[in-house]
Amino acid sequence: AQSVSQHNHHVILSEAASLELGCNYSYGGTVNLFWYVQYPGQHLQLLLKYFSGDPLVKGIKGFEAEFIKSKFSFNLRKPSVQWSDTAEYFCAVNALDYKYIFGTGTRLKVLA
Amino acid sequence: ETGVTQTPRHLVMGMTNKKSLKCEQHLGHNAMYWYKQSAKKPLELMFVYNFKEQTENNSVPSRFSPECPNSSHLFLHLHTLQPEDSALYLCASSQGLGGYEQYFGPGTRLTVT
Repeated sequence: AQSVSQHNHHVILSEAASLELGCNYSYGGTVNLFWYVQYPGQHLQLLLKYFSGDPLVKGIKGFEAEFIKSKFSFNLRKPSVQWSDTAEYFCAVNALDYKYIFGTGTRLKVLA
Repeated sequence: ETGVTQTPRHLVMGMTNKKSLKCEQHLGHNAMYWYKQSAKKPLELMFVYNFKEQTENNSVPSRFSPECPNSSHLFLHLHTLQPEDSALYLCASSQGLGGYEQYFGPGTRLTVT
C-alpha cells in the first residue's frame, strides 16, 4: 500500500537556523508530490509541488524541496527560518489512481 | 465569499443523533473531498467526488454518508457515530483529479459524546 513517512514529528529551531524536513514515500510508479502548510488558526494551504522536470522546486516564502527518485524522498528545506514559519507541515503524494496520501505532519516551532 | 467554506465549525453530538456537515466551494472546481484529521494520525481521505460522481470511498463506515448535489456543494451526513469518530473533518476541492492542488476549508471540529 502507498504510504508517506515524515520522520520528524516536532522540530524546534531558533530564528535564522536552517530547516530540513524529511519526507519519504512508498510507491513504485509516477507520483506528484506536495508540501502543504497549516499556520496556527489557518487552513491547510499549498507550499510547493513537484509534477515533473527540475527536481528542485521552489515554493512560497523561500521554501524549496528536492525530489530524489532513487531515494523516494521529497525533503523540504529553508536556509533561514523565521518566527512566522511556525506551523505544521504536511507532505503528500498523489499517484495516478488519484489518491492523495498525506504524512502525519511535522510541527515546527521557531523561537524568536 | 471565496475559497472553501464549512459549516458548522464546531459540532457536539450524542451517539444517537443525526447531523450533517456542509461544505461549499466558490472556486469553480470539479472535484471535492472529505478528510478526517485525528491527532497523531495522517490525514485520512474519506470520499472523493468528481463532477458530482463518487469516485472514492476509502472503506469508510456506513454511519458516514456523503452527498454531492452539485460540483459546488458537498455534505457529510452523520448518524449513530462512535466516540472514536471525534476528529476534525476537512473538506477540500480541486480543479480535477490526478495531481491538482487541493484547497482546504477550515474544518468542522466534531465531538461525539
